[in-house]
Amino acid sequence: GNSVTQMEGPVTLSEEAFLTINCTYTATGYPSLFWYVQYPGEGLQLLLKATKADDKGSNKGFEATYRKETTSFHLEKGSVQVSDSAVYFCALTNNAGNMLTFGGGTRLMVKP
Amino acid sequence: EAQVTQNPRYLITVTGKKLTVTCSQNMNHEYMSWYRQDPGLGLRQIYYSMNVEVTDKGDVPEGYKVSRKEKRNFPLILESPSPNQTSLYFCASSRTGGASYEQFFGPGTRLTVL
Repeated sequence: GNSVTQMEGPVTLSEEAFLTINCTYTATGYPSLFWYVQYPGEGLQLLLKATKADDKGSNKGFEATYRKETTSFHLEKGSVQVSDSAVYFCALTNNAGNMLTFGGGTRLMVKP
Repeated sequence: EAQVTQNPRYLITVTGKKLTVTCSQNMNHEYMSWYRQDPGLGLRQIYYSMNVEVTDKGDVPEGYKVSRKEKRNFPLILESPSPNQTSLYFCASSRTGGASYEQFFGPGTRLTVL
């Protein structure tokens, strides 16, 4: 079956530091890939997505590129802010597009 | 305001006492889904529904039931809860096409089964 592996956290950075959160996946076919973010006490929100190989999803300064050759979808941001502190989840769909598989989540803590 | 609502937000119950967690969305979405979130495991899909009267199992359906009699509502039923169902539960919805589109999540229901 499909699976998603994320780097374990927490990731602790100082404000304005560069962020990378690694995500690799195992899937058949051509899944869509997502990053969702969960702020404290809230539900998840879509951060960005990519639907085919070499697509780059971007939003709020975050970026991730769909790399089929390395089965990866790493999340990056050039300069993090304290307000980016949250848990980040990488996810993918199955081929039918009716189920979503999540990684274990990576907690990011940004200090002023 | 477009939203997904869940009730209750917090629930403490005892083993074997039937309970229902309600989920409602006001976006006219066809697809709805339930997830449970456990530390280190991320979110795991319990059940999903592509439309009214159409439901299907996710990755961890054991011990749960769902129904979809109306488009806006998708209740999660635990007929005989057990302590291993202690978890944080999220309902989500999206438009036609299901999981490939942005899912909108409710605020979560924290369930403790003693």
